[in-house]
Amino acid sequence: QQQVKQSPQSLIVQKGGISIINCAYENTAFDYFPWYQQFPGKGPALLIAIRPDVSEKKEGRFTISFNKSAKQFSLHIMDSQPGDSATYFCAASPTGSYKLIFGSGTRLLVRP
Amino acid sequence: SQTIHQWPATLVQPVGSPLSLECTVEGTSNPNLYWYRQAAGRGLQLLFYSVGIGQISSEVPQNLSASRPQDRQFILSSKKLLLSDSGFYLCAWMGSTNSPLHFGNGTRLTVT
Repeated sequence: QQQVKQSPQSLIVQKGGISIINCAYENTAFDYFPWYQQFPGKGPALLIAIRPDVSEKKEGRFTISFNKSAKQFSLHIMDSQPGDSATYFCAASPTGSYKLIFGSGTRLLVRP
Repeated sequence: SQTIHQWPATLVQPVGSPLSLECTVEGTSNPNLYWYRQAAGRGLQLLFYSVGIGQISSEVPQNLSASRPQDRQFILSSKKLLLSDSGFYLCAWMGSTNSPLHFGNGTRLTVT
């Protein structure tokens, strides 16, 4: 069964620090890797996404790093703010698929 | 621009009662449509997806069913709710393969 493994399950970071969330996928051809941010009581919202032809993508304080050979990708949140406190999901889409395979989520708390 | 509407936002239903949750998408044609369920503090479980009118794929055997009577309308139903059907139900749409998945704001269902 196709899987995406996400860690850590929860993360506490001080304001201004770097938050790092990691995901790994297994032996399947994936070609789209989005990250979603979810606030309590809301639906997940697309945060940033990457395709496997690049190793890094940066949008503001959010960066995805992608290691194709290791089948790993990670989200880095620089200068973390209390407003970043949310649950983050990584996901991967198999080639030609209409479905996303989600990680189990990481609950981030940024302390003031 | 595309928008997704999901209602109601919250719902409390007794065990054994029927359920109908509706989702509509505006600003796009022939979207792929999805129903997810999220238990409290948990990940995203894909329940159903549809690539066209009348075409429904079920991911997990359960007490629920889905229908797509119109191109941009997706309905989640149950004839008799169980306590275990409680959760946060999310509708989502995708325009094409390996592209972003866009979520609605969800329905919080409590079965009592």
